[in-house]
Amino acid sequence: KAGVTQTPRYLIKTRGQQVTLSCSPISGHRSVSWYQQTPGQGLQFLFEYFSETQRNKGNFPGRFSGRQFSNSRSEMNVSTLELGDSALYLCASSSPGTSGISTDTQYFGPGTRLTVL
Amino acid sequence: KQEVTQIPAALSVPEGENLVLNCSFTDSAIYNLQWFRQDPGKGLTSLLLIQSSQREQTSGRLNASLDKSSGRSTLYIAASQPGDSATYLCGGKAAGNKLTFGGGTRVLVKP
Repeated sequence: KAGVTQTPRYLIKTRGQQVTLSCSPISGHRSVSWYQQTPGQGLQFLFEYFSETQRNKGNFPGRFSGRQFSNSRSEMNVSTLELGDSALYLCASSSPGTSGISTDTQYFGPGTRLTVL
Repeated sequence: KQEVTQIPAALSVPEGENLVLNCSFTDSAIYNLQWFRQDPGKGLTSLLLIQSSQREQTSGRLNASLDKSSGRSTLYIAASQPGDSATYLCGGKAAGNKLTFGGGTRVLVKP
């Protein structure tokens, strides 16, 4: 089974621009979560999508948004980029139980390295 | 609010020595706890998942324990090898179906 894939792997943008990152989960997984990893803040939860609906959201400004498509692929968008948005963006997929709370392993993709100049 | 702490932040051991990595969490209402490995510039590789109802999980040289009452999990790596050098992260899942991560322990196994 193919793992979680993320595109692009590397991005360089300038302040004020916007960016869209893509994540394709493991086949059959319906939950996709996004995380931001920086040297200063570590790994922080951005949001989670399940069946095209955002179920949970972390403490990030509204410039960070996302969506999920009917095939469970997810995109994350960051508008009006700031220098502090430079980070490794990771997505993870899992297969939630019937209660909606996943007790299963979360599988992470290789990440997208975003550099904002 | 779940908070996860990993101490020490870095660890250096000679090859062959056993590794003991610690993870502490504040919210005992945890669904599961997952241990990951991260190589520089790469994504996270899942090592072990312990459900809240379990005390221990084992995979090869790896063994992870979970003590909800004390808010602790420990990852043991037996007979360490230079290839075990990486950053190890623990992530706890509580309410909100999200993982809260510790800062990680950077491990160096010297040949």
